[in-house]
Amino acid sequence: NAGVTQTPKFQVLKTGQSMTLQCAQDMNHEYMSWYRQDPGMGLRLIHYSVGAGITDQGEVPNGYNVSRSTTEDFPLRLLSAAPSQTSVYFCASSYSRGFYNEQFFGPGTRLTVL
Amino acid sequence: GQQVMQIPQYQHVQEGEDFTTYCNSSTTLSNIQWYKQRPGGHPVFLIQLVKSGEVKKQKRLTFQFGEAKKNSSLHITATQTTDVGTYFCALNNAGNMLTFGGGTRLMVKP
Repeated sequence: NAGVTQTPKFQVLKTGQSMTLQCAQDMNHEYMSWYRQDPGMGLRLIHYSVGAGITDQGEVPNGYNVSRSTTEDFPLRLLSAAPSQTSVYFCASSYSRGFYNEQFFGPGTRLTVL
Repeated sequence: GQQVMQIPQYQHVQEGEDFTTYCNSSTTLSNIQWYKQRPGGHPVFLIQLVKSGEVKKQKRLTFQFGEAKKNSSLHITATQTTDVGTYFCALNNAGNMLTFGGGTRLMVKP
């Protein structure tokens, strides 16, 4: 199993550009989510999905869109990039709705907006 | 929503010394998870605590959940250079979404 994969690993954008960060998992996990991590800080939840066709907002959703058409894929779209969106983006997935579960994180996408 | 505060923010230790990071909340927590993130890496799950007063060990790592379920700690005995990284506590909310503490960055001098 590849686990959780993310592409690209690095990206530089200009202000106003749009792009899609890709995330895929091959563990048949129901739950997928996107976090951003700013320097020296913890991770903050952007959007999450509890299954194909179902998404919801997290703590910091503004400026981002998501969709979940399949169990495997959960892309994150930046609509009009701003310097405040410079961050490291992590996708995560988990397999259970039960109380005990662990989140599996992808390797991250390091995004710089100029 | 619920928040968790982590202290200290940074910790420098000499290899072989012990290390402890604390996670605190003003409200009762249903559970707490701990993750480790190596420099340049991604968070990796270490453990989840659910029961009041729970203590779990993984080799040199000891995890505790407070009796009132408002705090948790991670203790590393005799640190090694491989322990370097940032340790995060995280609250697992409904829907399997995580609220992270700010993390404690551990640096180990050989």
